[in-house]
Amino acid sequence: GAVVSQHPSWVICKSGTSVKIECRSLDFQATTMFWYRQFPKQSLMLMATSNEGSKATYEQGVEKDKFLINHASLTLSTLTVTSAHPEDSSFYICSARESSGRAPDTQYFGPGTRLTVL
Amino acid sequence: GENVEQHPSTLSVQEGDSAVIKCTYSDSASNYFPWYKQELGKGPQLIIDIRSNVGEKKDQRIAVTLNKTAKHFSLHITETQPEDSAVYFCAASTNSGYALNFGKGTSLLVTP
Repeated sequence: GAVVSQHPSWVICKSGTSVKIECRSLDFQATTMFWYRQFPKQSLMLMATSNEGSKATYEQGVEKDKFLINHASLTLSTLTVTSAHPEDSSFYICSARESSGRAPDTQYFGPGTRLTVL
Repeated sequence: GENVEQHPSTLSVQEGDSAVIKCTYSDSASNYFPWYKQELGKGPQLIIDIRSNVGEKKDQRIAVTLNKTAKHFSLHITETQPEDSAVYFCAASTNSGYALNFGKGTSLLVTP
């Protein structure tokens, strides 16, 4: 149980294009999903918190117009990197928090998406 | 905001030995402390967690201890195996939003 998937697992795009990454909770409902970014040999940095049916909350320094987040259902959140540039190349990871009352603080992570912008 | 510090950054042990990774946190409101294992190119995998109403938790070869007064928690892995080699992250969160604050990670290498 508690499986989170991400699609695609890797993507290569040209500078200036937009890329959409999907995060799905497969066997539970997730009121909240989180998006992280991880550079090589570094820790995970929280980009934004996504709540189903409402606007995402972005961390300081994260451009909301560049990283568009949509959480349209209790099992799906999407991150769109708009007008991607080489400096956006990174490992993007989502996590989901189960909305049932048993363990509301537990987060389950997806396998990550490797984005390379040429 | 919350600041989580993790030590050591790298740890090398021989197979069969124990490994200990320590973390400290700054926000006294933090009440949830998970540990994640991340293998190269993969997402973090939850291996054990502890909440502030418990001092110790064990799951087979893995244990976590929590000292709320000192604001530190530790991961203990006994009888290490080469497949334990990975990067381990500690994290802390509060009931407000549940966002995780991660330590910088410990690269564990278990040599046969």
